Amino acid sequence: QVQLQESGPGLVKPSQTLSLTCTVSGGSISSGSYYWSWIRQPAGKGLEWIGLIYTSGSTNYNPSLKSRVTISIDTSENQFSLKLSSVTAADTALYYCARDQGSWGRIDYWGRGTLVTVSS
Amino acid sequence: DIQMTQSPSSLSASVRDRVTITCRASQSISNYLNWYQQKPGKAPKLLIYAASILQSGVPSRFSGSGSGTDFTLTISSLQPEDFATYYCQQSYSTLPYTFGQGTKLEIK
Repeated sequence: QVQLQESGPGLVKPSQTLSLTCTVSGGSISSGSYYWSWIRQPAGKGLEWIGLIYTSGSTNYNPSLKSRVTISIDTSENQFSLKLSSVTAADTALYYCARDQGSWGRIDYWGRGTLVTVSS
Repeated sequence: DIQMTQSPSSLSASVRDRVTITCRASQSISNYLNWYQQKPGKAPKLLIYAASILQSGVPSRFSGSGSGTDFTLTISSLQPEDFATYYCQQSYSTLPYTFGQGTKLEIK
């Protein structure tokens, strides 16, 4: 059973960089044709897809965030990471890491989510 | 971006009711449409992918249909554990994937 766990600071100051890591257990991040995604959800609101990374290292980002987002992967650690620069209060949200099956873009495994608050 | 619009935004229903939620895409997405269920304080759970294929382990009272721009999620006989928020997601375009705004299903 694949499990994903987000980790990182829960509080980030405005204009700084948000950095989160997702650790994958129960399977190798390199096996299969999976994509590894980040999705966020502001409190009481809907889901916003941030981007994904393939095991090859290729990435797709949401154009609305593309200038500020970097997703990377470390297959040796079975982890992938999110960096979001120049954050504002609008970036305060619950951040999920997740596995995209690749076929049909179905997101079949999710982490529990980690709350990141942007505040001075 | 492909816009996804769900209706209704909220819905009150009773146990054993049949419920239908609609999702409309701003352009044709073939059948690249997935449905998720989210309960308070929990991550979303995949219910249906490719518009109509039931994810493994999901009860058969859930079903999906549609193609092109119009899709539906149907729960044939509501159970107490089905009260949650439901989201559709298009995966036709990864630039970007987009979700509907959600439909909150509440107990009447």
